Amino acid sequence: DAGVTQSPTHLIKTRGQHVTLRCSPISGHKSVSWYQQVLGQGPQFIFQYYEKEERGRGNFPDRFSARQFPNYSSELNVNALLLGDSALYLCASSLSPGGNQPQHFGDGTRLSIL
Amino acid sequence: LAKTTQPISMDSYEGQEVNITCSHNNIATNDYITWYQQFPSQGPRFIIQGYKTKVTNEVASLFIPADRKSSTLSLPRVSLSDTAVYYCLVGDKGLTGGGNKLTFGTGTQLKVEL
Repeated sequence: DAGVTQSPTHLIKTRGQHVTLRCSPISGHKSVSWYQQVLGQGPQFIFQYYEKEERGRGNFPDRFSARQFPNYSSELNVNALLLGDSALYLCASSLSPGGNQPQHFGDGTRLSIL
Repeated sequence: LAKTTQPISMDSYEGQEVNITCSHNNIATNDYITWYQQFPSQGPRFIIQGYKTKVTNEVASLFIPADRKSSTLSLPRVSLSDTAVYYCLVGDKGLTGGGNKLTFGTGTQLKVEL
């Protein structure tokens, strides 16, 4: 069975641009979460979606948005990119939301802002 | 908000047992404790999950005391390939509207030597 897949694997943007990151969950998983991991730190929670609805939001500015599609795949959008947005963006899927279900992570999208 | 605390780093030798403790004073009643392993440039990988007492699988054991304010991941007979960052994850109910906010610990860098 395929694991969580993310695209692209690497991306280079400049300040002020917009970016869209994509995630396909494990088959049968209906919940998708997004995390930002800055070098040397632990993953920071951005969003969680379940059945196409937002179920959780971390402390990120409104420049960050996401959505989940009927097939449970998800997109993370970041507008007006800043240098500080350079990070590894991780997607995780689980059967259902909350801390009671193990999350399965993709290997992330490495975003570099110049 | 649930906050987790782990040692920043630990050193061990091949064949030894390693115990990593995570403190989580504000864990929610219905939430589980989950541990992940992460290698550089990869997404975190699920190790083990538990609610209380002791859980054991083929790679690790998880000990949780009755008050659930901490947990200890036990890795038996570590090898060089166990060198990685280990994270403690506690599901946290968001403060607004019942959403879910998932919090990683600070992470423990385990280094295993010959």
